[in-house]
Amino acid sequence: NAGVTQTPKFRILKIGQSMTLQCTQDMNHNYMYWYRQDPGMGLKLIYYSVGAGITDKGEVPNGYNVSRSTTEDFPLRLELAAPSQTSVYFCASRPDSWGSPLHFGNGTRLTVT
Amino acid sequence: DAKTTQPNSMESNEEEPVHLPCNHSTISGTDYIHWYRQLPSQGPEYVIHGLTSNVNNRMASLAIAEDRKSSTLIPHRATLRDAAVYYCILRGGSNDYKLSFGAGTTVTVRA
Repeated sequence: NAGVTQTPKFRILKIGQSMTLQCTQDMNHNYMYWYRQDPGMGLKLIYYSVGAGITDKGEVPNGYNVSRSTTEDFPLRLELAAPSQTSVYFCASRPDSWGSPLHFGNGTRLTVT
Repeated sequence: DAKTTQPNSMESNEEEPVHLPCNHSTISGTDYIHWYRQLPSQGPEYVIHGLTSNVNNRMASLAIAEDRKSSTLIPHRATLRDAAVYYCILRGGSNDYKLSFGAGTTVTVRA
């Protein structure tokens, strides 16, 4: 059971480039989340999804897009990378049950220069 | 939205357990109290959660105040071996899909 898998682990982008951060989970969870974590700070919610085909914005969605075509995958797209998007990105998932724990991936460290 | 307040940092040593407080004075009746910890360069991991009664598992004990407006996490010695950030969040209610984390409490371990 792999849990939540994020790829790549590290990436360096030039300003204006685009990329997709991949997140997949094998636990059949409907709820999935994308967070970013800046150095020394807590986690900020970018986007979340409550099931395939349903996504919604979190606290800091600007500059990002998501899609959820399957239960397993929840990719995060950066269209025009900016230095302000340098951060560590975490994907998480959880089952439907009330108050159930979140399962996190190990993160993608992104640097935009 | 129900929010939580935690101290920015606390120190621990190998002799005494550390008690990590969390204030959640606006908690609603259906909110669960969840705790997560984040080791350096890793994603957060679930530690424990509770609703009304004190809870104990292999990682920690969770003490919940009778009025539920505060809680205290007491990580077990094995859990405390490494420095980590501990997050307290509320789960449940009408906002259970939009889960926000604060800055948490950074615990440093004195040798």
